[in-house]
Amino acid sequence: GQNIDQPTEMTATEGAIVQINCTYQTSGFNGLFWYQQHAGEAPTFLSYNVLDGLEEKGRFSSFLSRSKGYSYLLLKELQMKDSASYLCAVRHNQAGTALIFGKGTTLSVSS
Amino acid sequence: DSGVTQTPKHLITATGQRVTLRCSPRSGDLSVYWYQQSLDQGLQFLIQYYNGEERAKGNILERFSAQQFPDLHSELNLSSLELGDSALYFCASSQAAGGPVEQYFGPGTRLTVT
Repeated sequence: GQNIDQPTEMTATEGAIVQINCTYQTSGFNGLFWYQQHAGEAPTFLSYNVLDGLEEKGRFSSFLSRSKGYSYLLLKELQMKDSASYLCAVRHNQAGTALIFGKGTTLSVSS
Repeated sequence: DSGVTQTPKHLITATGQRVTLRCSPRSGDLSVYWYQQSLDQGLQFLIQYYNGEERAKGNILERFSAQQFPDLHSELNLSSLELGDSALYFCASSQAAGGPVEQYFGPGTRLTVT
């Protein structure tokens, strides 16, 4: 089975950098996803990592270490609109595409 | 707008009742997924269909069932409803059944069981 751990809540100020960590245990790793979800809205895709290293996408970057079962999402130049829940997810199984999500990290950005 | 549509947006019903949630995937997407999101459990995978066939099963209760029709829309049926079934139900779609694929989520159906 899979197990995903993320901090429940984080706070930061506008313009700052924040790192949201995710540790996972899975029987057959096949990629890690990050999604953003604003309260009451649908999750939206942020990034995907399958190989070790850093993937950069504008203000957002995601890092993966498969040997450590560890990933992080890095958000730079924080804006108020970045206040949301950030969900880490791994594949349901090696062959499929369904995702198993962590409980999410609620990020609050203040001015 | 992800291109995935879900109806209804809100649903209020009583315990013991049965409801049907509907989802239309993005044009060209063959896979449909259903997820349940409650405050204490987070986003939980229920079931996946690919081109009309059940592909994967998650934590779906026996009281729940789903199907995908020839036009690729999907329905999630929830029966003998309990208070604990109150949640946001999301449908997502993707092009393929395997490989690294991004899922596009619909706006969700908020179910309240009273």
